[in-house]
Amino acid sequence: AQSVTQLGSHVSVSEGALVLLRCNYSSSVPPYLFWYVQYPNQGLQLLLKYTSAATLVKGINGFEAEFKKSETSFHLTKPSAHMSDAAEYFCAVSGDRGSTLGRLYFGRGTQLTVWP
Amino acid sequence: DAGVTQSPTHLIKTRGQQVTLRCSPKSGHDTVSWYQQALGQGPQFIFQYYEEEERQRGNFPDRFSGHQFPNYSSELNVNALLLGDSALYLCASSNQGPSTDTQYFGPGTRLTVL
Repeated sequence: AQSVTQLGSHVSVSEGALVLLRCNYSSSVPPYLFWYVQYPNQGLQLLLKYTSAATLVKGINGFEAEFKKSETSFHLTKPSAHMSDAAEYFCAVSGDRGSTLGRLYFGRGTQLTVWP
Repeated sequence: DAGVTQSPTHLIKTRGQQVTLRCSPKSGHDTVSWYQQALGQGPQFIFQYYEEEERQRGNFPDRFSGHQFPNYSSELNVNALLLGDSALYLCASSNQGPSTDTQYFGPGTRLTVL
């Protein structure tokens, strides 16, 4: 089975500072990788997705993530944090690349706090 | 374009009762997956439905069952509720076509078991 590890359950940054949320995965084959964001009392919103077209993936709201196969990592970054970025962020891996089943395995999440 | 919708938004039940949660997929999607998100945790896969059949199942007991209808909407049923079933239940829809593996989530149903 696939697994995802998100280092740091809580990350705090000042407004305007760099945001770095870490994600490592375990997979025997290159997977599909995702970052989702969850605002309080809401469902999950897709930020970005890696499907092997390019190692640097750009998403919504200024976020991007870089796939590094040698490090089995898919860290999420944003150059300048905004107050509205405060939310819970989840990294996920698709269970069956090449399959049409597409079960997702999620990390435990990282709560991002942005200070004014 | 309507996204994934779920009903009800909130639900309170007592131990031993049964509950049914509903999901309508995003327009054009034919596959529905259900996830359980306990407080402070990431979502855990329950099962996935395609062509009205359960295609894949996570590590959940048989008390959790589901159904998919011809219009692709889906229900999640939980029998003999336990306190530990209290969670946010998320429905996600996707397509089994070439651009598969992107799942779009609904707002969830918050289930509280007392």
